Amino acid sequence: QSALTQPASVSGSPGQSITISCTGTSNDVGGYNYVSWYQQHPGKPPKVMIYDVSNRPSGVSNRFSGSKSGNTASLTISGLQAEDEADYYCSSYASGSTLRVFGGGTKLTVL
Amino acid sequence: EVQLVESGGGLVQPGGSLRLSCAASELTFSSYEMNWVRQAPGKGLEWVSYISSSGSNIYYTDSVRGRFTISRDNAKKSLYLQMNSLRAEDTAVYYCVRDQGYSYGLGYFAYWGQGTLVTVSS
Repeated sequence: QSALTQPASVSGSPGQSITISCTGTSNDVGGYNYVSWYQQHPGKPPKVMIYDVSNRPSGVSNRFSGSKSGNTASLTISGLQAEDEADYYCSSYASGSTLRVFGGGTKLTVL
Repeated sequence: EVQLVESGGGLVQPGGSLRLSCAASELTFSSYEMNWVRQAPGKGLEWVSYISSSGSNIYYTDSVRGRFTISRDNAKKSLYLQMNSLRAEDTAVYYCVRDQGYSYGLGYFAYWGQGTLVTVSS
C-alpha cells in the first residue's frame, strides 16, 4: 500500500481537462509544500512535470498545473493531447525516518 | 545535459548480494543530493534511499533499512547501492535519480537514469 493515495485511472477526450488527486497526511502532503508530479510513458524513466506543489520545470507545457488544499494535492492537465496518455505519480517530502513517499500512480487514458 | 548511467543489475538468488553503480556525467556531481528509486514489474514507483551531497546524511525506506547501503564517491562522480539479503520482493528496475531544488532532502527528483533491472529468483 502506497503512502499517498491516487485514483488508479482517469480518462478524458482530446481538448478536455482532467485532474488527478493525491491524498496524504499532515506528515507529508499537508505539512509541506514539497509535492512533485511525474509523468512516465511505458518503458521510459519518469519525468518531472511539477515541483514544489505548483512550479513547472523549464520545457514543461503550461497545460500542466499543480495545486494543494489541506492533505490533498492535485495535478490538472488542460487541453488534453494524445501524447499526455501515460502514468502519473505524485511524491512528497515526509517527516520522520521516511524521507520521501510516492503515490500509487494514476493511468491517464486519452479517449 | 545531465546523464546518469546505472549498472550492476542482474539475476541473483534469494539471500544473495548485488552492488549497483551509477555514473554521472556532470562535473558538479558533488554538489547534488542523490537517490535510488525502484519500480517492480508492472507496479508503481518506490523511493529506496537518499544520500546528501557530502554523504553525511543518509535515509532508507523501512523495507530495505539494515539490508541496503547507499554510498557515493564524488571524485569518481559515482553513486552506489550495496544490496544484501535480497528477497523476491526486491525485484525491480532500480533508477539512479538526482535531486534539484532545496537541500536536506527537500528537493525533487529532477534527473533519472534509464534504470537497471534486478531480479531475485532461484
